[in-house]
Amino acid sequence: AQSVTQLGSHVSVSEGALVLLRCNYSSSVPPYLFWYVQYPNQGLQLLLKYTTGATLVKGINGFEAEFKKSETSFHLTKPSAHMSDAAEYFCAVSDRGAAGNKLTFGGGTRVLVKP
Amino acid sequence: DTAVSQTPKYLVTQMGNDKSIKCEQNLGHDTMYWYKQDSKKFLKIMFSYNNKELIINETVPNRFSPKSPDKAHLNLHINSLELGDSAVYFCASSQTLDSTPQYFGPGTRLTVL
Repeated sequence: AQSVTQLGSHVSVSEGALVLLRCNYSSSVPPYLFWYVQYPNQGLQLLLKYTTGATLVKGINGFEAEFKKSETSFHLTKPSAHMSDAAEYFCAVSDRGAAGNKLTFGGGTRVLVKP
Repeated sequence: DTAVSQTPKYLVTQMGNDKSIKCEQNLGHDTMYWYKQDSKKFLKIMFSYNNKELIINETVPNRFSPKSPDKAHLNLHINSLELGDSAVYFCASSQTLDSTPQYFGPGTRLTVL
């Protein structure tokens, strides 16, 4: 069975500071990995994904994440936080080849951006 | 235009009642999903449909019955509601069965009293 652990349910950063959200996964097969963002009163939106190839993937709004197989991690970063980055972020893993693309999610990390 | 929409946003009801949640996507996607988010914020897949055909049914009680009248709609009907059904239910869609859901709906918060 797959699982995802997000370290820290809440993260507070100052505007302009680095955003780092941690995600570790467990999977018996090479995984597909995803980050989703949920802005207040909205649904989740795909931020970026890793499937194969380059381990550093870039997403929307200046976010990027690096797949590190040896550490079973897929941490999300953004060099400089904006007020508009305040949201909840979810890491997810998918079983490769599973019918219907079944996602297993972490518990989310809420990001607060201080002016 | 909202890509994936759900109604209602909030649903408060008594134990034993039957209720439905509706979902619509205007993206022309083939595949739709229902996910349940528990009190610890973990989302777990319940069902997926591809072109109105049931693909995934994850150990969900028979009281939950999805219905897809066309590929743009996936509704969730719940019979004999129980306290443990209280959760946020999210609908999502993806272009095909093998592609990643890009958008989820805003969620329906169901509270069973």
